[in-house]
Amino acid sequence: GNSVTQMEGPVTLSEEAFLTINCTYTATGYPSLFWYVQYPGEGLQLLLKATKADDKGSNKGFEATYRKETTSFHLEKGSVQVSDSAVYFCASWMDSSYKLIFGSGTRLLVRP
Amino acid sequence: EAGVTQFPSHSVIEKGQTVTLRCDPISGHDNLYWYRRVMGKEIKFLLHFVKESKQDESGMPNNRFLAERTGGTYSTLKVQPAELEDSGVYFCASSLSGGRSGELFFGEGSRLTVL
Repeated sequence: GNSVTQMEGPVTLSEEAFLTINCTYTATGYPSLFWYVQYPGEGLQLLLKATKADDKGSNKGFEATYRKETTSFHLEKGSVQVSDSAVYFCASWMDSSYKLIFGSGTRLLVRP
Repeated sequence: EAGVTQFPSHSVIEKGQTVTLRCDPISGHDNLYWYRRVMGKEIKFLLHFVKESKQDESGMPNNRFLAERTGGTYSTLKVQPAELEDSGVYFCASSLSGGRSGELFFGEGSRLTVL
């Protein structure tokens, strides 16, 4: 079946540090891949997406590249800010099932 | 435009009691989803409505859970009787039919604590 695995947190960084949150997927086909973010006290919101191999999604300084050969979609940011503190969820979508499959979430805490 | 709204934001009940969670999707969104996150684990799919019809309820854990979407607008998720393992955060999400696949709009979640 389809599944998503992401690194466990919490991840604690100092402001302006480089961020990587690993995400790998298993799927019977070629899913679309997403990163969702949940800021404190808010609902999940879409951060970025990629729909096919080698696509790069980007938003708010975050990037992730769809790597078919490694079945990965790692989230990166070159310089994190305190306001990036949140829980980040990797997710996959197959049109055949019409639902999102989520990873377990990674909490990021950025200290000033 | 109002987003997805969920009520209550937090509910504390005792084992054996009943709780009903409500979700109001974005107006015009035919697709409505329920998800649950338990104990910091992954967000798990519960079910999917298209308008008032249950498209996929493969994630519903057991028959203590009942979801309805009368009239294809708001949805309710009832847990009766509640058990300790039902504690978690219940998320509702909606999307347009024919909208971009996977781009769901989520509510803030309803936190359920069963004592």
